[in-house]
Amino acid sequence: GENVEQHPSTLSVQEGDSAVIKCTYSDSASNYFPWYKQELGKRPQLIIDIRSNVGEKKDQRIAVTLNKTAKHFSLHITETQPEDSAVYFCAASIPRRSYKLIFGSGTRLLVRP
Amino acid sequence: KAGVTQTPRYLIKTRGQQVTLSCSPISGHRSVSWYQQTPGQGLQFLFEYFSETQRNKGNFPGRFSGRQFSNSRSEMNVSTLELGDSALYLCASSLPPGGQGNYEQYFGPGTRLTVT
Repeated sequence: GENVEQHPSTLSVQEGDSAVIKCTYSDSASNYFPWYKQELGKRPQLIIDIRSNVGEKKDQRIAVTLNKTAKHFSLHITETQPEDSAVYFCAASIPRRSYKLIFGSGTRLLVRP
Repeated sequence: KAGVTQTPRYLIKTRGQQVTLSCSPISGHRSVSWYQQTPGQGLQFLFEYFSETQRNKGNFPGRFSGRQFSNSRSEMNVSTLELGDSALYLCASSLPPGGQGNYEQYFGPGTRLTVT
């Protein structure tokens, strides 16, 4: 069935270092991959997304890469700041069928000042 | 534009009762999806509605149901509540695809349901 695996479950980095979160999806038909950031007590917030016709996308300190052959996609955060501390979720979907998102289990990122 | 809104924000119910949660999407958005978030199971898809039709349904028992109105507002209902239904219920709205397609989904603040 549809599944998205996300690693690591927790990640602690020093402020200014980079953080990388990795996800693997099972359904090869998936072609839309968003990343959400959820701070404690708040709603998931879309921070970046990528489609299967693109290999990499950047937005300031955040970048996402996609390897369709391996069914892997990753979130890269450079020059981390304490306000980056949150839980990050990857997701996959097949929008031509449905907007249904299959989420990874989440990564708790802690940026130490 | 106003964001996705959900009411109520917090709810406490007793086992066996039923509950109705409401979601108002961003103005102009016609697709609404519902998700259940728990510490143990993470974010799980419940259902998706588009133009008042259920387009997809997740793997939840029949006690969970939903609907969408002509103004795109959506409700979900849970009957015969169980302790395990305690969770944050999130809805997300999105535009219908057009041209290149706009697949972004925006979440509401959620309804925290506690079943005692």
